[in-house]
Amino acid sequence: GAVVSQHPSWVICKSGTSVKIECRSLDFQATTMFWYRQFPKQSLMLMATSNEGSKATYEQGVEKDKFLINHASLTLSTLTVTSAHPEDSSFYICSAAHSVGNYEQYFGPGTRLTVT
Amino acid sequence: AQSVTQLDSQVPVFEEAPVELRCNYSSSVSVYLFWYVQYPNQGLQLLLKYLSGSTLVKGINGFEAEFNKSQTSFHLRKPSVHISDTAEYFCAVSANTNAGKSTFGDGTTLTVKP
Repeated sequence: GAVVSQHPSWVICKSGTSVKIECRSLDFQATTMFWYRQFPKQSLMLMATSNEGSKATYEQGVEKDKFLINHASLTLSTLTVTSAHPEDSSFYICSAAHSVGNYEQYFGPGTRLTVT
Repeated sequence: AQSVTQLDSQVPVFEEAPVELRCNYSSSVSVYLFWYVQYPNQGLQLLLKYLSGSTLVKGINGFEAEFNKSQTSFHLRKPSVHISDTAEYFCAVSANTNAGKSTFGDGTTLTVKP
């Protein structure tokens, strides 16, 4: 149980276009989902926390207008990178938790974004 | 706020040897502690967690970790490693008052050599 999927697993897009990444909890309802960014050989950086039905909470330094997060249902959250640039190229990972404050996160397999 | 320091960025070890990956944390409140493993181009998999109770925690794949409150450490150990243990390992901490939000260390690359 507790499987989280991400789609797509990798994507290449041109500079200036927007890209949407989906994160789904397949066998449980996720009240809270987290979005992370990981640069090569580095740790995970929390970008934002999203709770179903409410606006996402962004970490300091993360542009909310550039990284649009929507958590419209208990099984789906999306991250849209708007007007992508090469510096947005990264590995994006989502995780899901059963409830707000629940310590256990279940991670998706990640999405590799390359902006050319 | 919490912080995590993984003391070794890379740990090379021979197959069947023991290994210890070191993790220190800092927090002004009580914490939960986690170790995750990440294989190339994949997400994170939980190895083990400390929430409360016994300070020796056993996880999957033969790993264990010991919570030491006085030294604010949570080192990961395995008595005999396999080639398949080669991966990136992350230590993470969260405040027990905001358990869902974790802070991750920079990671330790474990390379097991034949």
